[in-house]
Amino acid sequence: DTGVSQDPRHKITKRGQNVTFRCDPISEHNRLYWYRQTLGQGPEFLTYFQNEAQLEKSRLLSDRFSAERPKGSFSTLEIQRTEQGDSAMYLCASSLGGLDHEQYFGPGTRLTVT
Amino acid sequence: GENVEQHPSTLSVQEGDSAVIKCTYSDSASNYFPWYKQELGKRPQLIIDIRSNVGEKKDQRIAVTLNKTAKHFSLHITETQPEDSAVYFCAARNSGTYKYIFGTGTRLKVLA
Repeated sequence: DTGVSQDPRHKITKRGQNVTFRCDPISEHNRLYWYRQTLGQGPEFLTYFQNEAQLEKSRLLSDRFSAERPKGSFSTLEIQRTEQGDSAMYLCASSLGGLDHEQYFGPGTRLTVT
Repeated sequence: GENVEQHPSTLSVQEGDSAVIKCTYSDSASNYFPWYKQELGKRPQLIIDIRSNVGEKKDQRIAVTLNKTAKHFSLHITETQPEDSAVYFCAARNSGTYKYIFGTGTRLKVLA
C-alpha cells in the first residue's frame, strides 16, 4: 500500500496516560498534516510540517499535544496526560509541495480515553 | 476567525435524483475549496475541488460552483446512486496557509 499509513489504528487508554501515534506519509510528499475528528464533525486542523519544520500549530492545541517529524519522513503525535475530551479520530494527511496539491488522508487512529 | 458552515447536515434523496450541498466560508482570502467523501469507517477522499479563479467545475456526475462575492460554494451530484451514500465534507484553504478548514459534514443517503 503506497498511501498514507497510521499506527495504531485503535488505542484505548486510561485518563492521565501518555499516548503516541505514528504517521507515515506518501514517500515523495514533503508536507504532513495532523487533524482531529470527533463524531459528527469535520476534521479539525492541529498542525502541519514542511519537511522537518513545524510551520503552523492550531491555537486550540493544548500544551499536552506535541508533534515531531525529525527526518522529514514519518511523524509522531504525542498526547500527554490524556483526558476524556481527547477521545477522537486522529487523522494524518500528506501532500506534495506547492499550493495546489491534494491532501491525501490516512485511515486514522481512533483514541478512546476511559 | 476562520469558519466554514455546511448545510444540510443530513440529506436523503431517491436514487436518480440530484443532491446539492452548500457551504459558506468566512475568510475572504480563501482561494481553494476541496470536497471530500468519507464512507463509514474509511478515510476522507477528495472527489472534486475548485480554485477561486474558476466559477464552476464538473467531473462526470459531480459539479462544484463557487460564488466568491457571496463566499458560497456548492456540490452538485446528479443521477445519484446508492454508492454515493456517505458523509461529504467541504473545506476551504486561504492563500497564506496550507491547512484546510472543514465544514461539519453532510450525511447523504441515496434510497434505492
